[in-house]
Amino acid sequence: DGGITQSPKYLFRKEGQNVTLSCEQNLNHDAMYWYRQDPGQGLRLIYYSQIVNDFQKGDIAEGYSVSREKKESFPLTVTSAQKNPTAFYLCASSIGVGDTEAFFGQGTRLTVV
Amino acid sequence: LAKTTQPISMDSYEGQEVNITCSHNNIATNDYITWYQQFPSQGPRFIIQGYKTKVTNEVASLFIPADRKSSTLSLPRVSLSDTAVYYCLVGDMFSGGYNKLIFGAGTRLAVHP
Repeated sequence: DGGITQSPKYLFRKEGQNVTLSCEQNLNHDAMYWYRQDPGQGLRLIYYSQIVNDFQKGDIAEGYSVSREKKESFPLTVTSAQKNPTAFYLCASSIGVGDTEAFFGQGTRLTVV
Repeated sequence: LAKTTQPISMDSYEGQEVNITCSHNNIATNDYITWYQQFPSQGPRFIIQGYKTKVTNEVASLFIPADRKSSTLSLPRVSLSDTAVYYCLVGDMFSGGYNKLIFGAGTRLAVHP
């Protein structure tokens, strides 16, 4: 089955540690996105990538980093520079240019203690 | 950038028709209008997409007037399981061909027995 997979579903980390969230898709989509969602709030765009080896900052990129070495993979690293990292993180993909039909993963809930 | 405005919340009862309106005054000629549904602790799910007039699928209908400055998502005969957050967004193209999916705060629909 084609789809987009995020792992792990729940993640706990100590304050000051970097943590990497995984996102893999087998839909052959060019575009991939990372969003952050806080309780009761909408989605805020962190980073997005249109093609391999290229990505752009979204609205709240500070304290995060990404890579796009393979078409299928778009991992997100939450660094110690992110002041309030506890949130629900969502990864998505879409075919590419001009396409607004995106497919989302099930999300990773990150808790920093 | 095309931005959207939706009501923060709506209430309805089972069996009623629900209409959620979204304003997008700065929509560009090539933009499509897309609606997503999100249940708690899940990623958003694509519902429907349109460019003009009316689009209907097994889940909902989308009405878009001729000026395209607004759109209305219509959910016929809602049930308790339609309780969710509904997001309206428009395709957002930048120079260089990047497509950045911008989600607003959405409309929180509560369906009551």
